[in-house]
Amino acid sequence: SYVLTQPPSVSVAPGKTASITCEENNIGDTNVHWYRQKPGQAPVLVIYYHSDRPSEIPERFSGSNSGNTATLTISRVEAGDEADYYCQVWDSNSDQPVFGGGTKLTVL
Amino acid sequence: QVQLQESGPGLVKPSETLSLTCTVSGASVRSGGYYWSWIRQPPGKGLEWIGFTYYTGSTNYSPSFKSRVTISVHTSKNQFSLHLSSVTAADTAVYYCSRFTVDTTGHYFENWGQGALVTVSA
Repeated sequence: SYVLTQPPSVSVAPGKTASITCEENNIGDTNVHWYRQKPGQAPVLVIYYHSDRPSEIPERFSGSNSGNTATLTISRVEAGDEADYYCQVWDSNSDQPVFGGGTKLTVL
Repeated sequence: QVQLQESGPGLVKPSETLSLTCTVSGASVRSGGYYWSWIRQPPGKGLEWIGFTYYTGSTNYSPSFKSRVTISVHTSKNQFSLHLSSVTAADTAVYYCSRFTVDTTGHYFENWGQGALVTVSA
């Protein structure tokens, strides 16, 4: 079964690019989805199917997935992007969704 | 616009059953291609999937909860519910209901309720 590994924290200066990784063997063979959770709020889907975005999510958010690493990239980071980010996949062997442990993005 | 709203007691005694209801608006629980799911988040921790149901009544539960969880769908009320028995303090968490999409783009939690904090304490 999948065990998705995310860095506990990532820090980035405003206007710069943040990269949040999600690692598992051969994760590139499956679809990876990403969620943003601001403090005190429910998670929100920001990327699905590797790099598609819901209409309300800005183009600054993008995703990639290859080999053993999936990456959420946030360009031109703003203070409002500060949140916890979670990756998620579907484990077809056990027929259940699996979440990564989450990454706290801090905007310096 | 799809909206989900959790409701139920915010305080449950140890060994009793936690019960929550999710009311769906802007979509029908009878819609194919969507599963109706519960996820929880203990204070300061990550997301933990509990299980989901389909409009037919079929269910899939996380092995971590399988022995004490029941998720049911109520199509006439456009609702679905969670029952978690024999709770302990470790079950204290924010409980989210969610619409889980299953299509060619994958399996993901497309819409979420605002969450309901449930505390287990005597």
